[in-house]
Amino acid sequence: GENVEQHPSTLSVQEGDSAVIKCTYSDSASNYFPWYKQELGKGPQLIIDIRSNVGEKKDQRIAVTLNKTAKHFSLHITETQPEDSAVYFCAASISGANSKLTFGKGITLSVRP
Amino acid sequence: NAGVTQTPKFRILKIGQSMTLQCTQDMNHNYMYWYRQDPGMGLKLIYYSVGAGITDKGEVPNGYNVSRSTTEDFPLRLELAAPSQTSVYFCASSPVDRGGDTEAFFGQGTRLTVV
Repeated sequence: GENVEQHPSTLSVQEGDSAVIKCTYSDSASNYFPWYKQELGKGPQLIIDIRSNVGEKKDQRIAVTLNKTAKHFSLHITETQPEDSAVYFCAASISGANSKLTFGKGITLSVRP
Repeated sequence: NAGVTQTPKFRILKIGQSMTLQCTQDMNHNYMYWYRQDPGMGLKLIYYSVGAGITDKGEVPNGYNVSRSTTEDFPLRLELAAPSQTSVYFCASSPVDRGGDTEAFFGQGTRLTVV
């Protein structure tokens, strides 16, 4: 089955700096790669996703890049703010029938004011 | 829409007791999932369902059972609670039939402690 690795487990940045979180996946058939943000005491929430026919996607301060050859994808957050502090999960799946997401272990991002 | 609703939010069980974690969604999603979240371990899939009457095991199904009699509801049953089942449980749903999207919508979670 799919295996998604996420490193490191924690990341601390100064407010205003950029943060980059990286994930690798093992199944070359995976074609859908979402990122979820989990705030304290809440369920994860989708913040951005990318499909395998696209190399990069942006949404305001966040962007995701995908390297299918190397089987890794990254989340980029620019101009970080204290409200960006949360746990971020990457995931991978094969879209379509019987689809299910495989999540990484999560990274705790702390933005220092 | 309320989205995905889980009850209860917190529960303490004694070893050997049983309970059902409730999950309901009002988005008419076909796919529903149960995950458990342990510190530093991410989200592990327990069971999932691709539609009413159909369920399948995920990565960590032992000690749990599910049913899907309606599109809206997907309860998770613990028959003989064990300390290893202490965790935060999340229910999620997704509209996979919408162009292949697999965005999952999560509930707020149930924090379960087995003592």
